[in-house]
Amino acid sequence: NAGVTQTPKFQVLKTGQSMTLQCAQDMNHEYMSWYRQDPGMGLRLIHYSVGAGITDQGEVPNGYNVSRSTTEDFPLRLLSAAPSQTSVYFCASSFMNTEAFFGQGTRLTVV
Amino acid sequence: GDSVTQMEGPVTLSEEAFLTINCTYTATGYPSLFWYVQYPGEGLQLLLKATKADDKGSNKGFEATYRKETTSFHLEKGSVQVSDSAVYFCALTIQGAQKLVFGQGTRLTINP
Repeated sequence: NAGVTQTPKFQVLKTGQSMTLQCAQDMNHEYMSWYRQDPGMGLRLIHYSVGAGITDQGEVPNGYNVSRSTTEDFPLRLLSAAPSQTSVYFCASSFMNTEAFFGQGTRLTVV
Repeated sequence: GDSVTQMEGPVTLSEEAFLTINCTYTATGYPSLFWYVQYPGEGLQLLLKATKADDKGSNKGFEATYRKETTSFHLEKGSVQVSDSAVYFCALTIQGAQKLVFGQGTRLTINP
């Protein structure tokens, strides 16, 4: 099983550029989420989804959009990148009330 | 709000030393508690979990006991190995909600 697959693994953006971080899972999990990891701050929830067509904001949603058109995919969009969005991004999926499975992460640098 | 506080890192130990990483939490409901581990260049992996008070989670020689009276979930291992070098995260979810709340992480380095 592939599990949770994130692409790309590394990305450098210029301020103001847009991009989409891809996340796909093949475990038929209903719950998917995006986190950012910053030094000394652990992981913080950006957006999450409890099923296709349903998304909601987490702790730090500003500057990010998501959609969930299928069970498998949960892309994260940066509409106008800012240096404050330099971070490592993780996608996770799970069934409700079970352990979360994480992707390998996307390291994003905004210059 | 719900929160998790972990012992400050980084932590450096010699091989075969005893390990404790402290974790305390604040939660409004009845949380499930987790320890995740992140090896260099990888995503997070579940190390162990406990879903109710007094439960003990264990895996790969690591243990943690859910202590409701002290709101703690400290991670322990009796004899660490170089391969245990990683970042360890304590986390919680509230029953009925799948959102994970993480501590800040503790970087552990084991020297041979």
